[in-house]
Amino acid sequence: RKEVEQDPGPFNVPEGATVAFNCTYSNSASQSFFWYRQDCRKEPKLLMSVYSSGNEDGRFTAQLNRASQYISLLIRDSKLSDSATYLCVVKTNAGKSTFGDGTTLTVKP
Amino acid sequence: EAGVAQSPRYKIIEKRQSVAFWCNPISGHATLYWYQQILGQGPKLLIQFQNNGVVDDSQLPKDRFSAERLKGVDSTLKIQPAKLEDSAVYLCASSLVLGALDTEAFFGQGTRLTVV
Repeated sequence: RKEVEQDPGPFNVPEGATVAFNCTYSNSASQSFFWYRQDCRKEPKLLMSVYSSGNEDGRFTAQLNRASQYISLLIRDSKLSDSATYLCVVKTNAGKSTFGDGTTLTVKP
Repeated sequence: EAGVAQSPRYKIIEKRQSVAFWCNPISGHATLYWYQQILGQGPKLLIQFQNNGVVDDSQLPKDRFSAERLKGVDSTLKIQPAKLEDSAVYLCASSLVLGALDTEAFFGQGTRLTVV
């Protein structure tokens, strides 16, 4: 079993739709959680950190469920520019980061 | 602020040849990472440095891969000899402090390696 698993996708949604991605992790020592965005043939870039109480940044909402060991990312009112691969990252208290394989989102007009 | 610099951007080599990649992290970042990203997968950590010491190299195929970070700044990753399955993008990243859990990693643009 992989340490970090994501919905494989791809997700194809129309503009304006709401879409949610889930990510599960197996290491209970994980302490920090992030969502990165990766555009085609580009490097990953931080989208947002995920805090225990959940956090929101504009149209993006991230949630953490420690008991069930998963995190989620919700995108509201999808834009064409949201098309990308979304990578879940889990970091242990020793500073080791593990990436999921990503979920690809395509937003269509 | 200058980002993480990597070179070359692209490299094509024949199997059994050697290749080296170079990375210059963001100034002041103590932690440096090398990741391998195979098409369709997430980045996989190869090696992690804290200054010039190795923190984690558990997933580095040490029979053919080596990395160093002299003087705690620039780093090189070498593959010798290369295999077809080494074809991937090699990403270098840096972050401010190891163990500061909420620090993000900043990535370079990567080196796309094709082994033929």
